[in-house]
Amino acid sequence: AQSVTQLGSHVSVSEGALVLLRCNYSSSVPPYLFWYVQYPNQGLQLLLKYTTGATLVKGINGFEAEFKKSETSFHLTKPSAHMSDAAEYFCAVSRYNNNDMRFGAGTRLTVKP
Amino acid sequence: IAGITQAPTSQILAAGRRMTLRCTQDMRHNAMYWYRQDLGLGLRLIHYSNTAGTTGKGEVPDGYSVSRANTDDFPLTLASAVPSQTSVYFCASSPDGANYGYTFGSGTRLTVV
Repeated sequence: AQSVTQLGSHVSVSEGALVLLRCNYSSSVPPYLFWYVQYPNQGLQLLLKYTTGATLVKGINGFEAEFKKSETSFHLTKPSAHMSDAAEYFCAVSRYNNNDMRFGAGTRLTVKP
Repeated sequence: IAGITQAPTSQILAAGRRMTLRCTQDMRHNAMYWYRQDLGLGLRLIHYSNTAGTTGKGEVPDGYSVSRANTDDFPLTLASAVPSQTSVYFCASSPDGANYGYTFGSGTRLTVV
């Protein structure tokens, strides 16, 4: 079975600073990895995903994530935070043709002016 | 706008009552899912359906049932609600399995008293 650990339930950055949200996974087979964003009182929205191929994945809103197999990590980054990035972020893992996408507990990102 | 519609948006329910949460998608996705979201636990899979006419159990299925009579609809039923079922419920869909990533509805906030 696969699982996901998000390091830090709350991250606070200043506007314009680097955003780094950490995610580690465990999976017995090559994983499919995802980052989702959730704004208040809304559903989750897919930011980006890694399936196969290039390990650096670019997503919407300037976010990107790098799959590092040796570190079993899939950290989410953005070079310069914007106030509109304040939200909850979820890392998730699944396997090919699997029906069970497992989510981390989430990281709440606060952006200070 | 294509997507997933969930109803109701919120509900307060007396313990012991029966409740059906509705989920309809217009994207002709084969796979549909029900998750519950609880603070500090992320999202946990309740039930899923790979295609119309089939359903399966997820991580936390007890106390819930689903049906998938057609491609578009995937209702979730609580036969006899208990306070521990207080949660935010999200319906999601994907074209053909978890590795595609999910489209989420806006959620139903359920309080069982």
